[in-house]
Amino acid sequence: EADIYQTPRYLVIGTGKKITLECSQTMGHDKMYWYQQDPGMELHLIHYSYGVNSTEKGDLSSESTVSRIRTEHFPLTLESARPSHTSQYLCASSVERSGANVLTFGAGSRLTVL
Amino acid sequence: AQSVSQHNHHVILSEAASLELGCNYSYGGTVNLFWYVQYPGQHLQLLLKYFSGDPLVKGIKGFEAEFIKSKFSFNLRKPSVQWSDTAEYFCAVNEGSARQLTFGSGTQLTVLP
Repeated sequence: EADIYQTPRYLVIGTGKKITLECSQTMGHDKMYWYQQDPGMELHLIHYSYGVNSTEKGDLSSESTVSRIRTEHFPLTLESARPSHTSQYLCASSVERSGANVLTFGAGSRLTVL
Repeated sequence: AQSVSQHNHHVILSEAASLELGCNYSYGGTVNLFWYVQYPGQHLQLLLKYFSGDPLVKGIKGFEAEFIKSKFSFNLRKPSVQWSDTAEYFCAVNEGSARQLTFGSGTQLTVLP
């Protein structure tokens, strides 16, 4: 079944550690996204990619980086985690229909930095 | 930059009550409009979408939304809610030429049995 997978679902880590949040999709979508979601707040776009070797920063400034070496894989990396990075990170991919992108979301990775 | 406003942060209803969740956006041009729902412990899922045509769109589980261009609104409605509708609801918009979605801050709906 085509889907979008995120690992880990939950991560508690100490300050200064390097972390990578994995995101993979089996739907063959060209476009992929990372959103940051805090309770009671809107989802903020932090990175997106329209294809292999294409990545852009989103509306919300983030110290994280992303890569897109394969169509199905869009990992997010924090070189040195800080408590301010504590949040939920949602990965999504999309297909274009009638000129608009319809996003499919993963289950999210909830990161806590101590 | 466009923005999306969801004025109700938390709505509490009894089963069988009618629901209307407000969504307003700021962009004046052609827009595509979405409502997403996140049930407890589950992914964000698409509830319904409007691209063009009939401004009254019907989604899954008896939900519908009406696009009123003059009011920059896309309110979500359901005539009779169920306990299983308890979830967080997000309105999202993208401009005609943009590829990213802008989300509202969400409305937590709690339906009491």
